[in-house]
Amino acid sequence: DAKTTQPPSMDCAEGRAANLPCNHSTISGNEYVYWYRQIHSQGPQYIIHGLKNNETNEMASLIITEDRKSSTLILPHATLRDTAVYYCIVREGSNYKLTFGKGTLLTVNP
Amino acid sequence: DTGVSQNPRHKITKRGQNVTFRCDPISEHNRLYWYRQTLGQGPEFLTYFQNEAQLEKSRLLSDRFSAERPKGSFSTLEIQRTEQGDSAMYLCASSNRGEGFNQPQHFGDGTRLSIL
Repeated sequence: DAKTTQPPSMDCAEGRAANLPCNHSTISGNEYVYWYRQIHSQGPQYIIHGLKNNETNEMASLIITEDRKSSTLILPHATLRDTAVYYCIVREGSNYKLTFGKGTLLTVNP
Repeated sequence: DTGVSQNPRHKITKRGQNVTFRCDPISEHNRLYWYRQTLGQGPEFLTYFQNEAQLEKSRLLSDRFSAERPKGSFSTLEIQRTEQGDSAMYLCASSNRGEGFNQPQHFGDGTRLSIL
């Protein structure tokens, strides 16, 4: 699976949009981009995933660049409960395991 | 909505003892995964089951570790002769059958193991 690069930490004001970037410049055509988050003392929570098109669900939006070398997870109105470590993972469709990096610690401030 | 359930949530034991953790996946999920997470790191893959068959084991899973999934429902992870380095959070995840492995994995809240 392709490697991902994320900033170690980010801050966001409550009520604002949080935009979390992820670089995956070596991604191949059959690899999906997944986003998970982990709140302290809990297991990772699935957020969203996509292949090439932008995706949106009730939690977030995923924007994938046309060349697929980077993506952005958008939390439209961040709340204090969104403070967590966010993991961007690239995984080939036939690969059963998720390979986590260190992720981005997002801190939402009041 | 019943998610992935793991028991116990915390386990403290002395070095050299055996421990067993249980994972109950989301019902009808035929795929089950175990991961391990140490402090400050992301989870690392340990093993994977499809129904009752264990199809992959990471090199992280030494001979002291054994996982089972009888009847393709709940799973257990046993660690024999525990060592200090086994202290970690042990996470279980499950996913539904689907095209390839594109169905997302859903995680439980883990079992935190502390070795004294």
